[in-house]
Amino acid sequence: GDSVTQMEGPVTLSEEAFLTINCTYTATGYPSLFWYVQYPGEGLQLLLKATKADDKGSNKGFEATYRKETTSFHLEKGSVQVSDSAVYFCALNLLGGLIYNQGGKLIFGQGTELSVKP
Amino acid sequence: NAGVTQTPKFQVLKTGQSMTLQCAQDMNHEYMSWYRQDPGMGLRLIHYSVGAGITDQGEVPNGYNVSRSTTEDFPLRLLSAAPSQTSVYFCASARTGTDREKLLFGSGTQLSVL
Repeated sequence: GDSVTQMEGPVTLSEEAFLTINCTYTATGYPSLFWYVQYPGEGLQLLLKATKADDKGSNKGFEATYRKETTSFHLEKGSVQVSDSAVYFCALNLLGGLIYNQGGKLIFGQGTELSVKP
Repeated sequence: NAGVTQTPKFQVLKTGQSMTLQCAQDMNHEYMSWYRQDPGMGLRLIHYSVGAGITDQGEVPNGYNVSRSTTEDFPLRLLSAAPSQTSVYFCASARTGTDREKLLFGSGTQLSVL
């Protein structure tokens, strides 16, 4: 079945360090890929997305490129801040007419906790 | 706009009790859904709805009921609570159409079943 696998956390970095959180997926169709972020005590928020191969999603200094050949969507940021401390979720959604009405039926990875120290 | 509102924020139940988690949105979103979040397992879809009067099961529907009598509300009912239902529950909504993938989440309900 369709699934998403993320690198395990927690990930602890110093401020201004480079961040990579790995995400790989398995899907029978052509999914859209997403990164969601969950700050402490809050619900998830969409961080960025990519809808087709080679697309790059970006937001708030974070980037991720849809790599169909490696079925990956790794999240990167060049210089993290303390305020980036959160749990990051990779997710996929299959597009297509058959499931058009299923809206946001996302499949999530298990989440990766990031802690940034000053 | 209030967005997606969930109540209560915290709840403790005894095994066998029933309760309803409330979810309301004021954005006229057609799509609404319930997820549960458990450590190391990410979010798993419980039930979803693509419009008033239309609901369907997600990945982990057992022990939960839903209904969608209005566009705004999508309550989740636990008929007979079990310790395995201890979790954090999130309601999420989205428009259908081009923005259907942009789920907006509520702030969650932390449920403990003793």
